[in-house]
Amino acid sequence: DSGVTQTPKHLITATGQRVTLRCSPRSGDLSVYWYQQSLDQGLQFLIQYYNGEERAKGNILERFSAQQFPDLHSELNLSSLELGDSALYFCASSVGQVLTDTQYFGPGTRLTVL
Amino acid sequence: TQLLEQSPQFLSIQEGENLTVYCNSSSVFSSLQWYRQEPGEGPVLLVTVVTGGEVKKLKRLTFQFGDARKDSSLHITAAQPGDTGLYLCAGARRDRFGGTSYGKLTFGQGTILTVHP
Repeated sequence: DSGVTQTPKHLITATGQRVTLRCSPRSGDLSVYWYQQSLDQGLQFLIQYYNGEERAKGNILERFSAQQFPDLHSELNLSSLELGDSALYFCASSVGQVLTDTQYFGPGTRLTVL
Repeated sequence: TQLLEQSPQFLSIQEGENLTVYCNSSSVFSSLQWYRQEPGEGPVLLVTVVTGGEVKKLKRLTFQFGDARKDSSLHITAAQPGDTGLYLCAGARRDRFGGTSYGKLTFGQGTILTVHP
């Protein structure tokens, strides 16, 4: 158990819909990262927040958005869903934001778009 | 374009054999990490290497960072069924933001290792 929690564990929805994935970081961690893992693209970095502020952006689509709240939990919003958005979405957290800080990954949310 | 190329993609071996997984790039990374991921779980960090030429050992696992910080390898001695999993390398490159260094990880495609008893 990494200490990072993600809900829901599984999500099945239809194309065109909007979903919200939730992440609670480990106690004391200020950074939250979101990743997408699919068979064809592998594990891809989406976005990082540190203490409520966006710190780094990766291959995140415009239809996707995220935020980190004052209590440090984070949400990833996916809208206008397409079949290709089906993937495992991981949240990770770290104590700080420097390169060598260990990132602890949650168990992931499996999103299926039908 | 995959910045980090991992090889082999699949590895199926017998218990007791040795193996090496490679992670190569044309880019220089400030640090490189190796993760292991089991089905239904998130990746778990095994090691971080930051210095060119660095070698780190974790029981039967030996990690090496290339002198030019463009490549890395993971060697497992006397593999056991418990080593079965997806092994991922991930590189971080330094970005500057208000004087604080932070980075985003670029992952390789992974190596699926199966160790048969």
